Amino acid sequence: DQQVKQNSPSLSVQEGRISILNCDYTNSMFDYFLWYKKYPAEGPTFLISISSIKDKNEDGRFTVFLNKSAKHLSLHIVPSQPGDSAVYFCAASGEDAGNMLTFGGGTRLMVKP
Amino acid sequence: EAGVTQFPSHSVIEKGQTVTLRCDPISGHDNLYWYRRVMGKEIKFLLHFVKESKQDESGMPNNRFLAERTGGTYSTLKVQPAELEDSGVYFCASSPNTGLADSFGDEQFFGPGTRLTVL
Repeated sequence: DQQVKQNSPSLSVQEGRISILNCDYTNSMFDYFLWYKKYPAEGPTFLISISSIKDKNEDGRFTVFLNKSAKHLSLHIVPSQPGDSAVYFCAASGEDAGNMLTFGGGTRLMVKP
Repeated sequence: EAGVTQFPSHSVIEKGQTVTLRCDPISGHDNLYWYRRVMGKEIKFLLHFVKESKQDESGMPNNRFLAERTGGTYSTLKVQPAELEDSGVYFCASSPNTGLADSFGDEQFFGPGTRLTVL
């Protein structure tokens, strides 16, 4: 049973437009959420995170929104750049879930010039 | 500062053989994690070391997998004997021990992974 789901395996966006990547979770004990970015043949790289006490966290072009009641979070990238093309993983953790990260299946983002 | 390194980058072995993967975490990081991504699916947790102690090994698939972290520095993950379904990319990650109660939120730094192919 997958506790973190990314229902869109891929997303294609035009350069300069907004990219919105979505993530849903089922475990209400999760209270910390992270987005990782992964290029081919490399390990995941931390991008941005959000604690459950917040509903928004912004870092430059990247903003993560958390809707706890819906158990949903999203990553907004604006404006999107070709270098943003990668696989994006949503991950969750929580005190009761230990330090381990529970990952979604990933969304491949393609930003077209 | 050097990142997390893993060796080898690729390994191709036959079913029934033994393979040992190595991970060198970022210096000073007490927490070391092993994850696995199979067939392009989600990245799944295998186990977590705090220094040399296994904190959580609930994700280990079966007793063919053995992880060690002698001395609390580098870690090895041995698969013996390897089966076809063990193929995938094995990631290692590390994080510092901040000593904070909510340290579960610490960023984990990932290595490049070892791609294991079992034929």
